[in-house]
Amino acid sequence: GAVVSQHPSWVICKSGTSVKIECRSLDFQATTMFWYRQFPKQSLMLMATSNEGSKATYEQGVEKDKFLINHASLTLSTLTVTSAHPEDSSFYICSARDRDSGYNEQFFGPGTRLTVL
Amino acid sequence: GEDVEQSLFLSVREGDSSVINCTYTDSSSTYLYWYKQEPGAGLQLLTYIFSNMDMKQDQRLTVLLNKKDKHLSLRIADTQTGDSAIYFCAEKDGSQGNLIFGKGTKLSVKP
Repeated sequence: GAVVSQHPSWVICKSGTSVKIECRSLDFQATTMFWYRQFPKQSLMLMATSNEGSKATYEQGVEKDKFLINHASLTLSTLTVTSAHPEDSSFYICSARDRDSGYNEQFFGPGTRLTVL
Repeated sequence: GEDVEQSLFLSVREGDSSVINCTYTDSSSTYLYWYKQEPGAGLQLLTYIFSNMDMKQDQRLTVLLNKKDKHLSLRIADTQTGDSAIYFCAEKDGSQGNLIFGKGTKLSVKP
């Protein structure tokens, strides 16, 4: 099946620094990628929808200046957490929609665990 | 807005069947999904069902859809310890295309 990778798989950073997370579709083209955030023992919450070549669409309550999303190509989207604070510590998961999939399946990355000290 | 509800916990014995239930609210959903999440890992698509289907079977997995009641269930036959995980029900937002997830059901399988 289609594979989505995320890098890094985990990161620990100091408060105030910025962290970039990459999401790549390895063997398919993804015109749309989604970024989710998951708090412990909770469901995934959609943060933003990223379309290749255009600005991301953010969900209500998600600060676009804090969570910068860039979808520069059909196989790569990045999420940058700017000036990270401990409350940003979470599990960030991306998914990519296969452009050619008949049932619009989203393939999920393995997630990135961010810990802000 | 759209909402997806699931029970939070299910415990079964190895070899028994597990049934995880889910209700959703968006009647325009075209696809409904079941994902599995093992500890510390991302989501793995288990199966999906198109909204005009009532049932779908895939090896040990059976999905039942009651569109009238907006009720979806996942049955795992002959549950094994390796099936222990959190199972998420998700519906595809009819207008936006993103997935809306339930909170997940933690399945514990006892030997």
